[in-house]
Amino acid sequence: GENVEQHPSTLSVQEGDSAVIKCTYSDSASNYFPWYKQELGKRPQLIIDIRSNVGEKKDQRIAVTLNKTAKHFSLHITETQPEDSAVYFCAAISVAGGNMLTFGGGTRLMVKP
Amino acid sequence: NAGVMQNPRHLVRRRGQEARLRCSPMKGHSHVYWYRQLPEEGLKFMVYLQKENIIDESGMPKERFSAEFPKEGPSILRIQQVVRGDSAAYFCASSPATGDNEQFFGPGTRLTVL
Repeated sequence: GENVEQHPSTLSVQEGDSAVIKCTYSDSASNYFPWYKQELGKRPQLIIDIRSNVGEKKDQRIAVTLNKTAKHFSLHITETQPEDSAVYFCAAISVAGGNMLTFGGGTRLMVKP
Repeated sequence: NAGVMQNPRHLVRRRGQEARLRCSPMKGHSHVYWYRQLPEEGLKFMVYLQKENIIDESGMPKERFSAEFPKEGPSILRIQQVVRGDSAAYFCASSPATGDNEQFFGPGTRLTVL
């Protein structure tokens, strides 16, 4: 089945700096890669996603890149703000492996004011 | 659209009791997924259901756990004879019948086993 690895597990940045979180996946049939933000005690919220026919997608301060050959994808947050502090999860769906999300282990992002 | 609903939000059970967790998908969604999140960990897939059918239960423990999504009413995740290790947040997600991959999460049920 699919396996998703996520790094780093914790990331501390100064307000205004950029943050980058990286994930790798194992199943070459995976075709959908969402990123979720989870605040303490809350549900995971989708912040951006990318499909395998696209290499990059941007939404204001958030961007995601996908390298299908290397089987890795990354989340980029620019001009970080204290409210960006949360746990971020990458995930992948392989149609061949069923329609479930396989999540990375999460990255705890702390943005210091 | 009310979004994915889960109840109860918090559930406390003693060891050996049964826990029933309910999930109502978003309107128009016929695919339901259950995930478990242990404290300080990521989410792990448990089971994928469509109306009256279990599509994939590969992530669900073989014993004590069961799930259903009846023709009418919410999806139910049932845990029999709970143990302390079952303490976790259980999230339900739903997606449309069109095959769109995006999954929308409910607020979760936090189960505590004493």
